[in-house]
Amino acid sequence: QQKVQQSPESLIVPEGGMASLNCTSSDRNVDYFWWYRQHSGKSPKMLMSIFSNGEKEEGRFTVHLNKASLHTSLHIRDSQPSDSALYLCAASPNSGTYQRFGTGTKLQVVP
Amino acid sequence: NAGVIQTPRHKVTGKGQEATLWCEPISGHSAVFWYRQTIVQGLEFLTYFRNQAPIDDSGMPKERFSAQMPNQSHSTLKIQSTQPQDSAVYLCASSRQGYEQYFGPGTRLTVL
Repeated sequence: QQKVQQSPESLIVPEGGMASLNCTSSDRNVDYFWWYRQHSGKSPKMLMSIFSNGEKEEGRFTVHLNKASLHTSLHIRDSQPSDSALYLCAASPNSGTYQRFGTGTKLQVVP
Repeated sequence: NAGVIQTPRHKVTGKGQEATLWCEPISGHSAVFWYRQTIVQGLEFLTYFRNQAPIDDSGMPKERFSAQMPNQSHSTLKIQSTQPQDSAVYLCASSRQGYEQYFGPGTRLTVL
């Protein structure tokens, strides 16, 4: 079974709305979490990474991490149609090793 | 900076044939990772190198898959006796030690 679980599988939000995506690792041997965005037909590009408890904000994107529950969430405010993509969460034991990916959340932002 | 380069972009093989995929990492990046992506399984780790040395190949189907990194400027993934279930997009990524991974455009492998 997937060791990195993402929810929901798909999400539709109106333009200007807030999108909230979730990710949990069942492997306790992880310390780093990564969020990637993959537009259709393109390769994944890293959005944000987090390894400390708490919150990290970059522009319209905010990431939360609870290390005790190994749960991270990505929030996109003022969502734009260009945000429509597959959002992948990944976890790794440190910053230099391979990452284990979830199956992603497909986000669609409708005008 | 051209980014990670992967060739070919598309490859079609017949069942039982061999496929070799190439990856040129970003200059100065010490780590190279291979993943494959399918609709059903998502993005799966295969193997990775650091400073050209193989570090972890725990994701590789051992019997038919092999990977090498003969020099710092390229890595190859070879699949022998390809099977339809090997059809996927194979992604190569590179990173500097401890930093984010940059993915290449991928090679779409189709096994007929």
